[in-house]
Amino acid sequence: SQTIHQWPATLVQPVGSPLSLECTVEGTSNPNLYWYRQAAGRGLQLLFYSVGIGQISSEVPQNLSASRPQDRQFILSSKKLLLSDSGFYLCASGLTNTGELFGEGSRLTVL
Amino acid sequence: GEDVEQSLFLSVREGDSSVINCTYTDSSSTYLYWYKQEPGAGLQLLTYIFSNMDMKQDQRLTVLLNKKDKHLSLRIADTQTGDSAIYFCAEISPGGFKTIFGAGTRLFVKA
Repeated sequence: SQTIHQWPATLVQPVGSPLSLECTVEGTSNPNLYWYRQAAGRGLQLLFYSVGIGQISSEVPQNLSASRPQDRQFILSSKKLLLSDSGFYLCASGLTNTGELFGEGSRLTVL
Repeated sequence: GEDVEQSLFLSVREGDSSVINCTYTDSSSTYLYWYKQEPGAGLQLLTYIFSNMDMKQDQRLTVLLNKKDKHLSLRIADTQTGDSAIYFCAEISPGGFKTIFGAGTRLFVKA
């Protein structure tokens, strides 16, 4: 069965520092992959999605970027974090009648 | 445009039924979903319904779909304290690559 892992689970970073969140999927090939951000007590904001290696679609202009160097690997990055980048980041895989499979989330606090 | 709306809060007593409502805009959506998010965790797919169905029941969960009014509801029978969570309604975007999520309904279950 398909599984998805993202890390780190918790991150505290100073303003201006770089960011790298990683997500990997097992048990499937060529999945659609997604990065979402969830602000405290709020809904999900789709940041990026990818339908294949090297194919990234950005949903909102921002300080973040995404890359997909391998079929089942999706990375969220920033060169210089802003305070407003704080939030709960979720990676997700797939889009079939059975919906998306989510990782456990990465909580980023920018100080 | 694409939009999914749901109320932000619902409070029920343990043992009562909970009904979470949602409206969506894209009448061509083939699948509609309910996800559950527990504190500090990712989203978990609870159930989904295909657009040609009016109702789907799965143990304590009942999903009702009114395509004419673009209204989706989730009923949880015999609500337990463990059901306390945020529930997200979602539909597939017209292009089929993305999921459009509502803002989430926070369910409080009082003992």
